[in-house]
Amino acid sequence: GAVVSQHPSWVICKSGTSVKIECRSLDFQATTMFWYRQFPKQSLMLMATSNEGSKATYEQGVEKDKFLINHASLTLSTLTVTSAHPEDSSFYICSARDVRADTEAFFGQGTRLTVV
Amino acid sequence: GIQVEQSPPDLILQEGANSTLRCNFSDSVNNLQWFHQNPWGQLINLFYIPSGTKQNGRLSATTVATERYSLLYISSSQTTDSGVYFCAVVSGTYKYIFGTGTRLKVLA
Repeated sequence: GAVVSQHPSWVICKSGTSVKIECRSLDFQATTMFWYRQFPKQSLMLMATSNEGSKATYEQGVEKDKFLINHASLTLSTLTVTSAHPEDSSFYICSARDVRADTEAFFGQGTRLTVV
Repeated sequence: GIQVEQSPPDLILQEGANSTLRCNFSDSVNNLQWFHQNPWGQLINLFYIPSGTKQNGRLSATTVATERYSLLYISSSQTTDSGVYFCAVVSGTYKYIFGTGTRLKVLA
């Protein structure tokens, strides 16, 4: 299957700082990328959908100024958690899909963020 | 929005046993996938199955789109099958909505 690479796998940052997470599709063009958040022992919650070259669409209740998403190319999307606080600590997972081909979605390995 | 419920929420099996996991969804869907989330959090694609039946080794899946459910069968379970199983659906837009998950533990 296709490969989606997400970096870093884990990160610890201080309160008030910003953290950037990268999501790359390595062997296909991802017209659409998705960002999810997962709390312990819970399901994945969709945060936002990003399409290459356009603004991300955020789900209800997700602060777009807190979670900045950029999808500058067909192979790269980034999520920046700005002015991080301990409550932002979570597992973040990206997903990529080529909706033109209507293929399945592939997921990155996830990023475990801890804000201290 | 569409609701995706999975059952059972938790399942404990003895190695070698068979099991069936169910995914119910509240509206028509364009796509459906099954995933296994390993202990490190990685989501492994199991099946891309908006309709019909597919098999891959000890795993198989069936989606009956008209009745709004999908089933994942695990035969001769192994300890490495332990983890959380999710179904995720696409309905109307391109975004995947995840089910509530089934946490499986296979005992040696």
